[in-house]
Amino acid sequence: GNSVTQMEGPVTLSEEAFLTINCTYTATGYPSLFWYVQYPGEGLQLLLKATKADDKGSNKGFEATYRKETTSFHLEKGSVQVSDSAVYFCALPRNQAGTALIFGKGTTLSVSS
Amino acid sequence: GAGVSQSPSNKVTEKGKDVELRCDPISGHTALYWYRQSLGQGLEFLIYFQGNSAPDKSGLPSDRFSAERTGGSVSTLTIQRTQQEDSAVYLCASSLGTGGITGELFFGEGSRLTVL
Repeated sequence: GNSVTQMEGPVTLSEEAFLTINCTYTATGYPSLFWYVQYPGEGLQLLLKATKADDKGSNKGFEATYRKETTSFHLEKGSVQVSDSAVYFCALPRNQAGTALIFGKGTTLSVSS
Repeated sequence: GAGVSQSPSNKVTEKGKDVELRCDPISGHTALYWYRQSLGQGLEFLIYFQGNSAPDKSGLPSDRFSAERTGGSVSTLTIQRTQQEDSAVYLCASSLGTGGITGELFFGEGSRLTVL
């Protein structure tokens, strides 16, 4: 099956700082790639996705580019806010049948004002 | 309902007891998933339902774990003879069609299980 590795936190930043959370994967074929976010006290929710190589997914100021050459899908945001404090998970299909997603271990982001 | 609903939200039990965790998916979602979230371990896939059948249950960690889904809707995850290592947050998600391809899974807030 496929696998995913993401940088472990916690990541602590000041408001307006630049954010990068690294994610690399191994997969059969070229599956879609995803970032999920879990805000305190809430369920995980899809943040953004990219369905093919060189695609850039974006949402709420976050971006991630599907890099086939480096098998990476790093999450970036140019200027973080306190409200971005959450746990971020990189994800991809578990296998080619797409029976479920597999997730990285999660990266906790804390942003202070 | 509007979202995925899980109950109980918290469960404390003694080692050796059986527990049942319930998941009510979004109406009309044919696919349902159970995951386990442990500290430092991320999300661990347990089982996937499409309708009432489970084409992938390879993530269930032992035969003490079982799950069923009835009426293409509600699902119950049962853990028999609980052990302390079963302590975790159990997450349920649902999706239209094959969420494992589209990535559009909708998660509940989870059931936190503590085994003493």
